[in-house]
Formats: sequence, C-alpha cells, structure tokens
Amino acid sequence: DAGVTQSPTHLIKTRGQHVTLRCSPISGHKSVSWYQQVLGQGPQFIFQYYEKEERGRGNFPDRFSARQFPNYSSELNVNALLLGDSALYLCASSFTEPQYFGPGTRLLVL
Amino acid sequence: GENVEQHPSTLSVQEGDSAVIKCTYSDSASNYFPWYKQELGKRPQLIIDIRSNVGEKKDQRIAVTLNKTAKHFSLHITETQPEDSAVYFCAAVGRGDDKIIFGKGTRLHILP
Repeated sequence: DAGVTQSPTHLIKTRGQHVTLRCSPISGHKSVSWYQQVLGQGPQFIFQYYEKEERGRGNFPDRFSARQFPNYSSELNVNALLLGDSALYLCASSFTEPQYFGPGTRLLVL
Repeated sequence: GENVEQHPSTLSVQEGDSAVIKCTYSDSASNYFPWYKQELGKRPQLIIDIRSNVGEKKDQRIAVTLNKTAKHFSLHITETQPEDSAVYFCAAVGRGDDKIIFGKGTRLHILP
C-alpha cells in the first residue's frame, strides 16, 4: 500500500525563478494539503484541495498557487522565488481525518 | 486565527522515565487534535489523535489528554526508549476546516 509520494526530493533554484512541486496522494484519498516547514519550526499550512476545488488557503502571498488534477494528484507552484522560500515542502493526503504526510521536497533558493 | 502553543521546546528524560508535552489552543471551535512525530530528515508521522468529544485516549505507551474548558491537551509517553528521540508536534484542526495548525515542536532526547 503506497503512501503519499512527492517529487522531486531536492531542488536548488536561484532567486526570481519558478518552481513546481508534485504530490501523489494515497489511493482513495481525495484531499491534498500543502505545508511549508522552515528549519526548526512546525509545518505551516499553505493550501488544501478537495475534489479539485480549493478549500482553504493559508497566509502565503499570491506567488504561491496550487491545483489538483482529476486523479487527485496535486502541484504546488511558487513564482519569483525568494531566499525565504527555502524550506521543506510537505504534501499531506486524507480521506477524512487524519492527514498523512509525504516525504517532502527540500527546496533551497540561492 | 487559530494559534497553538507548545511547551517545552526541548525535553531530556532518562530512558525508562516518562515524558510529558503540553499544548494550548486558541480557537474553541477546534475539534480534532493530532500529534505527529518527526525524526531528523523524515516526514511527520501521526502517532495518536483525539477528538473533542473524548477526554483521554491511550495507545500502548502513548496517551493524550484533552481539557476543552481550559483549551489544553497533553501527550504522555511512558517507559521511554531511545527510539522515542525525535521532534514531536501537537496540532489542532477547526470544525469544518481541514487545515492543521501546528505547534512549534518539542525536541525530545532520551538519555541512556
């Protein structure tokens, strides 16, 4: 039984660039959420999608966007990268509660 | 918005002793409280959760208590083992709202 998967595992970008992160939920889960985890802190909620519709958005700028596809996989896009966007980006999927996390994508912005 | 405070930030206990981590939440509408364990370089893993209609839940060496009136909840780990060393996050989820609000984490060290 496969868990939540994310790609890529690591990514290095420079300021001003754009990045796309991908997430595949556990089979049967229709909800996907995205979190940003800065080193030494708890994960911060960015977005939640359910049945391809945005259900919630955290306190992140418009440079952050996401979408969910018919197969329930999801993409997180970040434009005009800043140094402060360096973090571990976690995807979580759920059917109801609880949410199960993927291994994350570690993004470094230079 | 919802805020979750977690204490202590670091906790060292002797192997075999108990560890207690305490959290408070601000939104009285929160109704679901998961706890996650995160080992270095790995994903957060759910270890136990509790809903607002329950005061206590236990799973082997791990227990969680919830006081809705005071808006605080705690994680108790008994008979600690070296593999319990990790960062533990408490979290709260609002009614009708699936976003998880995390505390800042507690780094637990189990001393030999």
